[in-house]
Amino acid sequence: GAGVSQSPRYKVAKRGQDVALRCDPISGHVSLFWYQQALGQGPEFLTYFQNEAQLDKSGLPSDRFFAERPEGSVSTLKIQRTQQEDSAVYLCASSYKTGRGAQETQYFGPGTRLLVL
Amino acid sequence: AQSVTQLGSHVSVSEGALVLLRCNYSSSVPPYLFWYVQYPNQGLQLLLKYTTGATLVKGINGFEAEFKKSETSFHLTKPSAHMSDAAEYFCAVSNQGGKLIFGQGTELSVKP
Repeated sequence: GAGVSQSPRYKVAKRGQDVALRCDPISGHVSLFWYQQALGQGPEFLTYFQNEAQLDKSGLPSDRFFAERPEGSVSTLKIQRTQQEDSAVYLCASSYKTGRGAQETQYFGPGTRLLVL
Repeated sequence: AQSVTQLGSHVSVSEGALVLLRCNYSSSVPPYLFWYVQYPNQGLQLLLKYTTGATLVKGINGFEAEFKKSETSFHLTKPSAHMSDAAEYFCAVSNQGGKLIFGQGTELSVKP
């Protein structure tokens, strides 16, 4: 079946531009996570949705980062006034919540590679 | 707070040799532990996970890992490396909210 998809796969932005990154989770998956992976590093948590509710946004690095999932399926991560330090791969993951959230397998998309010049 | 440490950012083995990738964790609650693999320009793929029960966990592609609470370790092994195993490997721990906390990663190279 279809996995998690993300678009665009690559994005080049000039410093100060706004960008929007899209994530299509696996159909029926309730939980959706965004991670940021800097070059040579492990992914770092940004934010978490359960259906349309954003339950944890503690990892968002600044108020320039905003995420939404208005209908509980597709999610968009928006970065306003991009800075060079925002250059990274942004990974989306989804899981089928069974009520034991910490044990669930997260299925990752291929990521969006953002380069801010 | 939870954290993960992967010892060795780069590991090189010969084809057919044992693969051992080290992971130590810190957690104040019983941990759920994961190993993911990442191939170039791809997302992360789950190799295996430990939740409860048997401490020796078998995963895909011949990999396995053993949860050792006394050593706070969850090392990944494979008896015989294949060229196709060359990739980046990440160990992760999950907190109560479900988010994953990853180590820095270990790049595995396999020499012919």
